Amino acid sequence: DTEVTQTPKHLVMGMTNKKSLKCEQHMGHRAMYWYKQKAKKPPELMFVYSYEKLSINESVPSRFSPECPNSSLLNLHLHALQPEDSALYLCASSRGTTENTEAFFGQGTRLTVV
Amino acid sequence: GENVEQHPSTLSVQEGDSAVIKCTYSDSASNYFPWYKQELGKRPQLIIDIRSNVGEKKDQRIAVTLNKTAKHFSLHITETQPEDSAVYFCAVHNYGQNFVFGPGTRLSVLP
Repeated sequence: DTEVTQTPKHLVMGMTNKKSLKCEQHMGHRAMYWYKQKAKKPPELMFVYSYEKLSINESVPSRFSPECPNSSLLNLHLHALQPEDSALYLCASSRGTTENTEAFFGQGTRLTVV
Repeated sequence: GENVEQHPSTLSVQEGDSAVIKCTYSDSASNYFPWYKQELGKRPQLIIDIRSNVGEKKDQRIAVTLNKTAKHFSLHITETQPEDSAVYFCAVHNYGQNFVFGPGTRLSVLP
């Protein structure tokens, strides 16, 4: 199984809503990532979890709250988002942050904030 | 921090011709260099990668070359086909750090 699975595929939410994005992998990877991607731009790192601990937070606003319940799951909790937060949110995993191996990406959640 | 530049930003080639995309990076300690292909509305997918102890790697029509001294690496696609049309991102990785992506190259292969 070389899949990273993200749910939902699409999400429309209002600025006062609370929602969560979910990501799952069963490759035994110990590093998991959240990226934000705007149209015609590269993925932009938001958070890195290494061995279920938050290791990198790229100065992301607190309305985005990551959670890593176990080594296979990664969540991104969303609250009070702004329209400019509309983007494709990509989850990725790799064997580890200290290993030079590829990052596998999920298919993403296309988020629209209205 | 690491800074990755990628050129060109757009590239159009005739079917059957070759395409070359170049990336430069700033951190001499970086040691892993993957290339990702992203088709419209889809996830980035690895197409080839190279580690710092190797100068060149080839996989069928795709090759990557690395010049660690000059801090640049290039993607070479030969005999291009319409299905090669996509956005290509280079990335750079160092132990304990995150992947830093280049800004991307939109490749169009014209039939």
